Amino acid sequence: NAGVTQTPKFRVLKTGQSMTLLCAQDMNHEYMYWYRQDPGMGLRLIHYSVGEGTTAKGEVPDGYNVSRLKKQNFLLGLESAAPSQTSVYFCASSTGGPSLNQPQHFGDGTRLSIL
Amino acid sequence: SQQGEEDPQALSIQEGENATMNCSYKTSINNLQWYRQNSGRGLVHLILIRSNEREKHSGRLRVTLDTSKKSSSLLITASRAADTASYFCAQGLIQGAQKLVFGQGTRLTINP
Repeated sequence: NAGVTQTPKFRVLKTGQSMTLLCAQDMNHEYMYWYRQDPGMGLRLIHYSVGEGTTAKGEVPDGYNVSRLKKQNFLLGLESAAPSQTSVYFCASSTGGPSLNQPQHFGDGTRLSIL
Repeated sequence: SQQGEEDPQALSIQEGENATMNCSYKTSINNLQWYRQNSGRGLVHLILIRSNEREKHSGRLRVTLDTSKKSSSLLITASRAADTASYFCAQGLIQGAQKLVFGQGTRLTINP
């Protein structure tokens, strides 16, 4: 099992460019999440999905869009990249939400630099 | 902010010693989860303790939860060099979105 796979692993963008980060999980999980991790800030939730075709905003959704067209995939889009979006992005999945006492499984991250 | 706080921010000990990390939180929780992150890697789930539990063990890990003080601790016994990593607590909230709220983490270094 690959678990949670994120592509690409590294990317450098210029301000104003757009791009899509892909997350794929092979565990048949219903829930998927996108986080960003910045130095000294821990992980902050950007968007999440509780099932195929659903998405919801997290703590820091501005400047990002997401889609969950297939259960196994969760895409994160940057519409017009800004230097403030330089970060490490992590995708996670789980069988259920935290209120159901379910842990999350993480990918190894995408390191994104916006120049 | 619902973000919890972890203490200490950094901890350096000798191999074989025990390491204790603390987590405090602000809101009502359904569970408290601990994760490990090795440098350059994603987070790995270590242990989940439910709000009605006070202590939980997994191998060399021991987690306690005190809901009256809104605090949790992670103890790693007989530390090894491979335990060098960052450790995060995460609150599984009762109400609101199906999300975890992560603390800022404790950077643990085990010196050989």
